[in-house]
Amino acid sequence: GIQVEQSPPDLILQEGANSTLRCNFSDSVNNLQWFHQNPWGQLINLFYIPSGTKQNGRLSATTVATERYSLLYISSSQTTDSGVYFCAVESKSGGGADGLTFGKGTHLIIQP
Amino acid sequence: DSGVTQTPKHLITATGQRVTLRCSPRSGDLSVYWYQQSLDQGLQFLIQYYNGEERAKGNILERFSAQQFPDLHSELNLSSLELGDSALYFCASSVPGQVETQYFGPGTRLLVL
Repeated sequence: GIQVEQSPPDLILQEGANSTLRCNFSDSVNNLQWFHQNPWGQLINLFYIPSGTKQNGRLSATTVATERYSLLYISSSQTTDSGVYFCAVESKSGGGADGLTFGKGTHLIIQP
Repeated sequence: DSGVTQTPKHLITATGQRVTLRCSPRSGDLSVYWYQQSLDQGLQFLIQYYNGEERAKGNILERFSAQQFPDLHSELNLSSLELGDSALYFCASSVPGQVETQYFGPGTRLLVL
């Protein structure tokens, strides 16, 4: 099946810093989503972005489908940004009848 | 709030027992997905239902089963529970017939003692 690799696995930053999280995937995708899992375990949708660029406040994401990677940018980090960020994809070869395959996540800690 | 509801929030049970987890999708969503998040395996897709019919299977054990009812809510049944089944179980739903955003519920945290 499709493989998803996220980097870095861990990231510790000071409040106000910017960060870039990367997601590489091994096959063509028709769905790519970024999630934030907060300390209470809730998975929060950030972006649905199988290709192109989107922005939402301090967060933005870019997916280059032809090169099989996606980037999540967090600017002016706040302590509430702490948590685990997951990239999840659905392979095109699945015909839209597969679930999402998740990466192992990037554990982000924002220190005050 | 994603609009997907799951009950119960927490469940503690013993090995060998059977439990049922419940999920109500967002209004209008016909597809329901179940995922398991454990320390060992990370987040894994278990099974998908679309309008009452099983549509895709992932890494679901034979001891686990699911169904989707006419009102579109879904249940995940876990039987002969083992310690390793302790995990966070998520339900997600999506717009019918489209490859699009999956919206996740808050999860059910299962602890098997």
